[in-house]
Amino acid sequence: NAGVMQNPRHLVRRRGQEARLRCSPMKGHSHVYWYRQLPEEGLKFMVYLQKENIIDESGMPKERFSAEFPKEGPSILRIQQVVRGDSAAYFCASSPRTGGAESGYTFGSGTRLTVV
Amino acid sequence: QQQVKQSPQSLIVQKGGISIINCAYENTAFDYFPWYQQFPGKGPALLIAIRPDVSEKKEGRFTISFNKSAKQFSLHIMDSQPGDSATYFCAASMDTGGFKTIFGAGTRLFVKA
Repeated sequence: NAGVMQNPRHLVRRRGQEARLRCSPMKGHSHVYWYRQLPEEGLKFMVYLQKENIIDESGMPKERFSAEFPKEGPSILRIQQVVRGDSAAYFCASSPRTGGAESGYTFGSGTRLTVV
Repeated sequence: QQQVKQSPQSLIVQKGGISIINCAYENTAFDYFPWYQQFPGKGPALLIAIRPDVSEKKEGRFTISFNKSAKQFSLHIMDSQPGDSATYFCAASMDTGGFKTIFGAGTRLFVKA
């Protein structure tokens, strides 16, 4: 049973380009969460999605950032017109629909985005 | 109100010593308090967790102490080992919040051999 798969592991983009980060949740998990981790900082919540629905996007910047979790395929975090301040590690986590908070999160290994 | 405050930012402990990391929260609606361990280049992994109706939970060398009235909780690592060197995050979530979890800023622990 594969864990949460994130790709790519490392992504380099020039300022102004688009970055697409992909996350495949664990089998049987229907909740996906995206977090951003800046160097030497903690994990900042960005967005919580279920299949075809954005449940909570209170942590997403209002511009340039979007997320989706389609019926088929991985969840995508999209950053348009990247700037140097977007350089960070982006982690995806998943959890099952049932079991409550105690089912916990399973995190992927992250995508490290560098904007040059 | 959604914050979880964690201290210290970094911690150096001798092998065999006790590592103590503290956290405080404000929102009394939080009802689940996990700790995550993160090694460099990896994602965080769930270490141990507690509900507020319990004052202490122990799993091996790891113990969570919980003070509901003070809205504080702490992680104790007994007999700390070099392999425990990692970043530790406390966190808080609520079942009714769709399991969204709020993380503390993290503590970088280094255990000296």
